[in-house]
Amino acid sequence: EAQVTQNPRYLITVTGKKLTVTCSQNMNHEYMSWYRQDPGLGLRQIYYSMNVEVTDKGDVPEGYKVSRKEKRNFPLILESPSPNQTSLYFCASSLKGSNQPQHFGDGTRLSIL
Amino acid sequence: GESVGLHLPTLSVQEGDNSIINCAYSNSASDYFIWYKQESGKGPQFIIDIRSNMDKRQGQRVTVLLNKTVKHLSLQIAATQPGDSAVYFCAENKGAGSYQLTFGKGTKLSVIP
Repeated sequence: EAQVTQNPRYLITVTGKKLTVTCSQNMNHEYMSWYRQDPGLGLRQIYYSMNVEVTDKGDVPEGYKVSRKEKRNFPLILESPSPNQTSLYFCASSLKGSNQPQHFGDGTRLSIL
Repeated sequence: GESVGLHLPTLSVQEGDNSIINCAYSNSASDYFIWYKQESGKGPQFIIDIRSNMDKRQGQRVTVLLNKTVKHLSLQIAATQPGDSAVYFCAENKGAGSYQLTFGKGTKLSVIP
């Protein structure tokens, strides 16, 4: 089944403790992206990647890192999480092309205490 | 389930009626538009897309209309079913050739059995 898989689905942690949210897609998509979703603000892009070893900042990149060492994986790293990064996070992927729909994972709920 | 937003515009329709969800976009340079459906606890699910060289596109029970003159997008759902209850988002790309999307805040559709 074609899908975008995120792990973990839920995580409660403390300020300053490094964490990684993994994202994997099995559709051979070139483009991958991370978003956060907050009440009243909608979906906002954190980082995106056009292909392996190519990453770029989205609209809200502060406090996050990403890497794209393999085509299928695009982990999101929070080196020193803070409470304002408590949010619902989504990974998405699409084929190459500016008019290709992005397909989303089911989300990761992060709570930073 | 996950809360995707507070105080979202809400549309309530009777089962079997047609639904129309509207979206205004701001970037006249956008050339690609998408509608997503998000159910509680899940990621956004692609419904239908349209390019700027079209003004109408139909899928199974859904139709998207694009009016570039007034920068307006609408999603029509025919014979609305209880399973259509969800939050619906429109998204536009950030300009011709851009992979990046800007998402609307969403509209909550409630279907009354």
